[in-house]
Amino acid sequence: NAGVTQTPKFRVLKTGQSMTLLCAQDMNHEYMYWYRQDPGMGLRLIHYSVGEGTTAKGEVPDGYNVSRLKKQNFLLGLESAAPSQTSVYFCASSYVLFEKLFFGSGTQLSVL
Amino acid sequence: TQLLEQSPQFLSIQEGENLTVYCNSSSVFSSLQWYRQEPGEGPVLLVTVVTGGEVKKLKRLTFQFGDARKDSSLHITAAQPGDTGLYLCAGVYTGGFKTIFGAGTRLFVKA
Repeated sequence: NAGVTQTPKFRVLKTGQSMTLLCAQDMNHEYMYWYRQDPGMGLRLIHYSVGEGTTAKGEVPDGYNVSRLKKQNFLLGLESAAPSQTSVYFCASSYVLFEKLFFGSGTQLSVL
Repeated sequence: TQLLEQSPQFLSIQEGENLTVYCNSSSVFSSLQWYRQEPGEGPVLLVTVVTGGEVKKLKRLTFQFGDARKDSSLHITAAQPGDTGLYLCAGVYTGGFKTIFGAGTRLFVKA
């Protein structure tokens, strides 16, 4: 029973490099989300999706792009990484928009 | 700015003690969720409260939603080391188009 799976678990980038984080869910959830978690600031929404082929901006979307080509997958891309993007990134999914979220185990990203 | 403030930020107690953590806002929420997060893992939903004044119990954990639906509390009775973790509250705004998370209360229960 996998739930929400994120890869990779850890990643180190140099400033200016690009990367993609992968998220997959096997619960047939319509809604998916990307959050970042920073000390003392709680979880902040980057982007979210209300269904296959749709995406929407959250609180902190700048510097990130997302795609949801298949219902079960939600990809988060960094086009040109900056040290301010050092954070722990969580993917989540749910049956109801913004309620009862199921989270993945996170990706620790460091940008040097 | 919409804020959800949690207090205390950090709590270290002995096994067997009782504790209460708080989640406060000036905004009204349609519902409020509590999650627990362990190191290296994502948050896991504990409970959702929907009605003002609602009280829900989950074994030794008691959750209460304020009458005005602006605040909530989590009370743990006879804390155990397994309760150690980061407790997050998340408020869902009316219409369900936005949720905000508090920064969390980090609880450490010593054996």
